Amino acid sequence: DIQMTQSPSSLSASVGDRVTITCRASQGIRNDLGWYQQKPGKAPKRLIYGASSLQSGVPSRFSGSGSGTEFTLTISNLQPEDSATYYCLQHNSYPRTFGQGTKLEIK
Amino acid sequence: QVHLQESGPGLVKPSETLSLTCIVSGGSISSYYWSWIRQPPGKGLEWIGYIFYSGSTNYNPSLKSRVTISVDTSKKQISLKLSSVTAADTAVYYCARFVGWNDGPDIWGQGTMVTVSS
Repeated sequence: DIQMTQSPSSLSASVGDRVTITCRASQGIRNDLGWYQQKPGKAPKRLIYGASSLQSGVPSRFSGSGSGTEFTLTISNLQPEDSATYYCLQHNSYPRTFGQGTKLEIK
Repeated sequence: QVHLQESGPGLVKPSETLSLTCIVSGGSISSYYWSWIRQPPGKGLEWIGYIFYSGSTNYNPSLKSRVTISVDTSKKQISLKLSSVTAADTAVYYCARFVGWNDGPDIWGQGTMVTVSS
């Protein structure tokens, strides 16, 4: 199985800040990576697919980059509603595997 | 707009079989892949497996011996069966759609909580 190592596990930032979350794959996965946002009691929602493509309807302050083994999710101009847990998911091979999650708190 | 709705018993006894269904509404079940993903309370997400609308499946090796996913295209329904459950199978179970074999889930159901307890 491909292991996805996500960091940090948690972070705190203020409205208007820019934050970056990183995911590292244990082997190359091309650009077969998605980023998901999950709020308490809700299902995950896809933000990014193909490492850098923005899901329809998702604000442009969310962006993704990377290829191979290193990937980042960047949230610019942080908003209160961005408080959530974020997960990466590799969709290069089976079984699909998720990162451990990053809990983002808005100060 | 495609909507997925999971349903099933909220409580299952240890050693019994967990059975869940996912109803697809607002869109076609054909030409898509349908997956089950679970999340234990306070923990991360785990891929269980998928089924293509034609019936081909792929399961997580960690659960393969206990999992069966099936599809009924006439009812627009995907089913999950997990046998010999233990407390470790307590989780929210999600069904989710993905478009291509090399894709990730784009649409998720709201999830259904299953507790394994006597």
